[in-house]
Amino acid sequence: QKEVEQDPGPLSVPEGAIVSLNCTYSNSAFQYFMWYRQYSRKGPELLMYTYSSGNKEDGRFTAQVDKSSKYISLFIRDSQPSDSATYLCAMTNTGNQFYFGTGTSLTVIP
Amino acid sequence: GAVVSQHPSWVICKSGTSVKIECRSLDFQATTMFWYRQFPKQSLMLMATSNEGSKATYEQGVEKDKFLINHASLTLSTLTVTSAHPEDSSFYICSTPSMNTEAFFGQGTRLTVV
Repeated sequence: QKEVEQDPGPLSVPEGAIVSLNCTYSNSAFQYFMWYRQYSRKGPELLMYTYSSGNKEDGRFTAQVDKSSKYISLFIRDSQPSDSATYLCAMTNTGNQFYFGTGTSLTVIP
Repeated sequence: GAVVSQHPSWVICKSGTSVKIECRSLDFQATTMFWYRQFPKQSLMLMATSNEGSKATYEQGVEKDKFLINHASLTLSTLTVTSAHPEDSSFYICSTPSMNTEAFFGQGTRLTVV
């Protein structure tokens, strides 16, 4: 079983839609959870960073962590064409090793 | 947030030559640097972990004599692909954890070996 599972998509939505991206994981020791956005041929850009369970909101982005279910989500409200990218989830327990999902490819259609 | 500067962003080299990729942490000390490789439409594959002042730790299946990593200072880590071959063509990315534990990435280097 992989440490982190993420549906690779591709996911295609109309502009203005709410997007839900998810990852599941198996290691209950993970404490820190991150979402990255990666445009083609660019390095991943940190979007959201969450410690332990709970919600975190930043503009149109909301990250949720449910440690009891080992499930994390990223919601994008009022999606824009510029949100079209691959979204990677990542997690760690100590910062000494990071575990990544395979990434979900998102296309927002104008 | 923390910034990691990676150069070059792309490079084309002839088979058999060596290529050096640099990653610099611009506003904090990077004790640890991760080096990843990413193939198209795939996730990041950890190649090695370097710690300032000590030898890098390589993941299983990664040739340490081919992918030389140097982390001589707290702000600079380098990856040298030696005797590059077309199968080494890939996207290479460095990353370092901040004090808050989140990982910050360089811009990536697209290597094409012809």
